[in-house]
Parts: sequence; C-alpha cells; structure tokens
Amino acid sequence: AQSVTQLDSHVSVSEGTPVLLRCNYSSSYSPSLFWYVQHPNKGLQLLLKYTSAATLVKGINGFEAEFKKSETSFHLTKPSAHMSDAAEYFCVVSYSSGNTPLVFGKGTRLSVIA
Amino acid sequence: DTGVSQNPRHKITKRGQNVTFRCDPISEHNRLYWYRQTLGQGPEFLTYFQNEAQLEKSRLLSDRFSAERPKGSFSTLEIQRTEQGDSAMYLCASSLGQGASNTEAFFGQGTRLTVV
Repeated sequence: AQSVTQLDSHVSVSEGTPVLLRCNYSSSYSPSLFWYVQHPNKGLQLLLKYTSAATLVKGINGFEAEFKKSETSFHLTKPSAHMSDAAEYFCVVSYSSGNTPLVFGKGTRLSVIA
Repeated sequence: DTGVSQNPRHKITKRGQNVTFRCDPISEHNRLYWYRQTLGQGPEFLTYFQNEAQLEKSRLLSDRFSAERPKGSFSTLEIQRTEQGDSAMYLCASSLGQGASNTEAFFGQGTRLTVV
C-alpha cells in the first residue's frame, strides 16, 4: 500500500539551531514528494517539492530536503530555526499509479523555543 | 485572488441535517481533490476529479458522502444526515495533472464543520 511515515510527531528545537523533520515513504518507481506547512488556523502551504530532478531541493523560508532513493527518505532540514517556523509540517507523496493521488503523513509539530 | 476558494468557511449544523460545501479551484487546474482533517491528524483523502470525471471515490467515508464536479470547474461535497463524528475541517485542493504527472496541489482554507 502507498504510505508515508513521519517518524516524529513532535520536534522541539531552540531558536537558531538546526531543524530536522524525518519522512520515509513506501517504495515506488517514480514518486513525487512534497513538504507542506500548516500554521494554526491557516491553510496548507507548499514548502518544496521533488519531482525527479535534482535530489537536493530548496524551498521557501530557508528549508530544504534531500531525496534519498536508497533509504526511501525525504527529510526536511533548515540550518537555523526561527520562531515563525513553529507549525505543523506534512510530508506528502504522489505516486504515478494507484488510486490515491496525494498521500499525507500524520504530521510533525515543530516547536521553537526562544 | 486566484487561489482555491472554499465556502462557507464555517458551518454549524444539527445532527441529521444535510450540508453542502463548495470549492472553486484555480481556474486552469483540471484536478480537484477533497480531504478531511480532524484535530491533530494529517489530511485524509476522500475523493478526486479530473475535469468532471470522478476518478476515485472509494475513500469516501460512507454513502452519506457524495461529491460532484458537473462542469469540470467548481465542485460540491455533500454530507447527508450528518453525525457528530463528521465534525472536521474539509479541505479542497487543485492541481494540473496529465496521466501520471502531477503538479503540486494548492489548498483552500477549508470549511470547518461542527455537528451539534
């Protein structure tokens, strides 16, 4: 079955320290992968996407993610956390076949401590 | 504003009533998706359309749920005989897709349903 696993339900970091949010997906021939962010009472916003071009993808607000096929991972990173990064982050996979076009992970809540 | 628009933003209804939500996608997008999100969970896929064709509806939660996209533009999601467990945020998204390829999906702000 198509699936995506976010390994941490909650991550807490200090402001100015690196962020790592982990995501693994079930193997598929050609997945597209996305990270979305959801701030409280706001809609889902696309952070970045991987669609079989460069494996290191840069997104908005200083976030980036690396597609590692051998590890079936697509972890999200940021060198230095800002207070405004506190939000819920979702890893999303889209497969070229199958009945569910976009599969969401359960989300990782990022807290940033001053 | 050319983003995905959902109406209403909030709906409070009594148990047993029917409700209908509307989604207007980005105008050139041919794919439209409905998701449900409950508190503390990720969005759960319900159904999607390519133009006016409903390509997947087996994930609709029960036969009380139905969706339409009659002219391949806006879509409606109807819930009949609402139950308290239907209380959730209902999200609509759209994208441009052709065959196996798919651009990223753009989401609306959602409709928050409360069944009392």
